[in-house]
Amino acid sequence: DAMVIQNPRYQVTQFGKPVTLSCSQTLNHNVMYWYQQKSSQAPKLLFHYYDKDFNNEADTPDNFQSRRPNTSFCFLDIRSPGLGDAAMYLCATSRDRRGDGTHEQYFGPGTRLTVT
Amino acid sequence: EDQVTQSPEALRLQEGESSSLNCSYTVSGLRGLFWYRQDPGKGPDFLFTLYSAGEEKEKERLKATLTKKESFLHITAPKPEDAATYRCAVRPSGRLKLSFGAGTTVTVRA
Repeated sequence: DAMVIQNPRYQVTQFGKPVTLSCSQTLNHNVMYWYQQKSSQAPKLLFHYYDKDFNNEADTPDNFQSRRPNTSFCFLDIRSPGLGDAAMYLCATSRDRRGDGTHEQYFGPGTRLTVT
Repeated sequence: EDQVTQSPEALRLQEGESSSLNCSYTVSGLRGLFWYRQDPGKGPDFLFTLYSAGEEKEKERLKATLTKKESFLHITAPKPEDAATYRCAVRPSGRLKLSFGAGTTVTVRA
């Protein structure tokens, strides 16, 4: 089945130690997103890639970066994790034209990040 | 600014007791309203997309409807496995970003 895969499902890192979360998709969607979700709150968009074009949200901290080496993979890098970065990180994909978001986003299972 | 408000925050149902969840929205040029189901510790699962007022979508015990100001998710004769947080999200014209509501957490007692 086509899907969005996230690895690892659980990640523990130390305060200030860089960490990378990965996402892959078999849907062949052109847009990939990274969300942060804390406790039972709504997911908060960090950034998205439209094809290879990176789009950062204005309130996303500089501590968060992303790479998309090809259509199928996308990475979230947290350069110096703080305690406040502990959260669920969700990857999502969609098949959309630029500026015309009519299609649904499909989410992966998430990576639960713990910062010690 | 886009606004999405879901009510109630929590809904406790008896098995078989039908009910509705509300999603009110204010958005500049709606390009789509999306319903998701999210189980604890998992990512949201896509349920429905609605595009225009009057549109309805159904899936098993769930039915989503849309007006110009709000959407309803009707749960007919719920079962314990329908317990989850249901989230609606809207996409305004010209943007790919989803604006999510805070969600409604549904519990179903057997």
